[in-house]
Amino acid sequence: SQKIEQNSEALNIQEGKTATLTCNYTNYSPAYLQWYRQDPGRGPVFLLLIRENEKEKRKERLKVTFDTTLKQSLFHITASQPADSATYLCALKVSGYALNFGKGTSLLVTP
Amino acid sequence: DAGITQSPRHKVTETGTPVTLRCHQTENHRYMYWYRQDPGHGLRLIHYSYGVKDTDKGEVSDGYSVSRSKTEDFLLTLESATSSQTSVYFCATTDSTDTQYFGPGTRLTVL
Repeated sequence: SQKIEQNSEALNIQEGKTATLTCNYTNYSPAYLQWYRQDPGRGPVFLLLIRENEKEKRKERLKVTFDTTLKQSLFHITASQPADSATYLCALKVSGYALNFGKGTSLLVTP
Repeated sequence: DAGITQSPRHKVTETGTPVTLRCHQTENHRYMYWYRQDPGHGLRLIHYSYGVKDTDKGEVSDGYSVSRSKTEDFLLTLESATSSQTSVYFCATTDSTDTQYFGPGTRLTVL
């Protein structure tokens, strides 16, 4: 069966460090992978999309890598700030028009 | 929230009663989705629509129906609510870049 796995344990890091979140998947051949941020009590917000033919993508302090051989994406936040504290979701496109989401990893950045 | 509103934002109802949740978008996006989000399960797709009167089932569609009579409105109906349908419900739309935009969510409690 298709599965998307993200670190279930919360990630705690110190302000200024780089946060790295992992998304692993099985039994998918995704055309692309997306990352979303979700704050408590709010809907997810789109951050980045990376296509299967792209190895890396950057946006400001965010960097995403996509390894279709390892079936893994890494999401990096450099120079992290307390405002980056949130839950981060990865999502894969399935057949048709919908996305399948991982359960998310909670990130806490402490001053 | 990219012009997506959901109503009501909170609802408490009793087992066996019908419930309709409304999603309204102002972006003229063709694709719309209903997800539910529960602890330990993440976001799961209930139903989606790829145009007026065109809908299809998602991963957890049992007990739910949808209707889309206008581009801007997507309704989710629980014909006879059960306690297992207590959840937070999110509506989303997709633009031409495959970015999904989420509404603020509806917190539904079925007693």
